[in-house]
Amino acid sequence: DAKTTQPPSMDCAEGRAANLPCNHSTISGNEYVYWYRQIHSQGPQYIIHGLKNNETNEMASLIITEDRKSSTLILPHATLRDTAVYYCIVRTNTGANSKLTFGKGITLSVRP
Amino acid sequence: DTEVTQTPKHLVMGMTNKKSLKCEQHMGHRAMYWYKQKAKKPPELMFVYSYEKLSINESVPSRFSPECPNSSLLNLHLHALQPEDSALYLCASSQDRRAREKLFFGSGTQLSVL
Repeated sequence: DAKTTQPPSMDCAEGRAANLPCNHSTISGNEYVYWYRQIHSQGPQYIIHGLKNNETNEMASLIITEDRKSSTLILPHATLRDTAVYYCIVRTNTGANSKLTFGKGITLSVRP
Repeated sequence: DTEVTQTPKHLVMGMTNKKSLKCEQHMGHRAMYWYKQKAKKPPELMFVYSYEKLSINESVPSRFSPECPNSSLLNLHLHALQPEDSALYLCASSQDRRAREKLFFGSGTQLSVL
């Protein structure tokens, strides 16, 4: 599976949009981009995933560049409860050895 | 019910003890996973079960022994662990092993080996 690169940390003000970047320059055509987050002392939580097109759900939006080498997770109105480690992961959609492998993630701190 | 339930939440054991971690889901998922997470590190995959059969073992030492007695249950049997095995052990499940299926995680068992 392709590797991802994320900044180690960022912060944003409560109520503002949080834009979390991720680079995945070696992504293959059949690899999906996934985002999970992990709030302290909890298990990881699925947020969103996509292949080529931008995606939106009740939690966030995922913007994937046209060349698919990078993506941005957008939390439109960050709250204090969004403080967490956010993991960007790329994963193949086929193959018996398809795995969800976590990188270091980015720590988002939402300030009041 | 979209929950993955792990028991116990906390476990302290000696290096000569035998203990088991339990994971349960009632979402009809056919893939189940064990991850290990050390403090301030990302989760690391240990085992994957698909339709109650072990499909991935990430070269985990034999002192960790997984078991999937049925499609709803996943156990991790522990024997002769070392202090460095102290970690948060996370269980997850998904509809099946296809990559487009999202994983649901439990809250984990915090294990301390003395």
